[in-house]
Amino acid sequence: DAKTTQPPSMDCAEGRAANLPCNHSTISGNEYVYWYRQIHSQGPQYIIHGLKNNETNEMASLIITEDRKSSTLILPHATLRDTAVYYCIVRVLTNTGNQFYFGTGTSLTVIP
Amino acid sequence: GAVVSQHPSRVICKSGTSVKIECRSLDFQATTMFWYRQFPKQSLMLMATSNEGSKATYEQGVEKDKFLINHASLTLSTLTVTSAHPEDSSFYICSARDPLGGGQYFGPGTRLTVT
Repeated sequence: DAKTTQPPSMDCAEGRAANLPCNHSTISGNEYVYWYRQIHSQGPQYIIHGLKNNETNEMASLIITEDRKSSTLILPHATLRDTAVYYCIVRVLTNTGNQFYFGTGTSLTVIP
Repeated sequence: GAVVSQHPSRVICKSGTSVKIECRSLDFQATTMFWYRQFPKQSLMLMATSNEGSKATYEQGVEKDKFLINHASLTLSTLTVTSAHPEDSSFYICSARDPLGGGQYFGPGTRLTVT
């Protein structure tokens, strides 16, 4: 089962920063937080992941709270092509390995 | 980044027939692949974990005799939907874990329609 909760939808003005929150209050100490996005009828695209420290790459920044119970994905300058469903996932370690259980995600609409 | 492909991208089959979907990791070797199913306007649901050279592990509620998974090589996993019914119509997505980098990469998905 998914260990994350996200708001179902958000809007963001084009060119502004999009801040997508995620709660994962039951996360364990060795579980990573991953972010993917899915554009309609395509496979999910990797964005970023982290364990404890804040992370940044060419696509986004990931801010993880000190207690690791929540995180925020930041798209610094949203474009229309960033309109997608964004999934925050806790990578769960089971007896068969590491697995992703998707929650409901946040549908981000970037408005011109 | 790493590339995962799926074939076919879409398939239409008649009720009662079987259909095979292939998932390939193109530029890395994946000891573990995953199969998901996604119904319209819903999230991805993990169906099974496929480990190279061993039997797949199915999630609760997924019929292993209906959804046959074979992971015979480090770059190929197949999902066969046997005796397909209209309710099996869905978007099937695979992913593969790169054991070196640790990332998990998703294929583009296969749209199955059972008539």
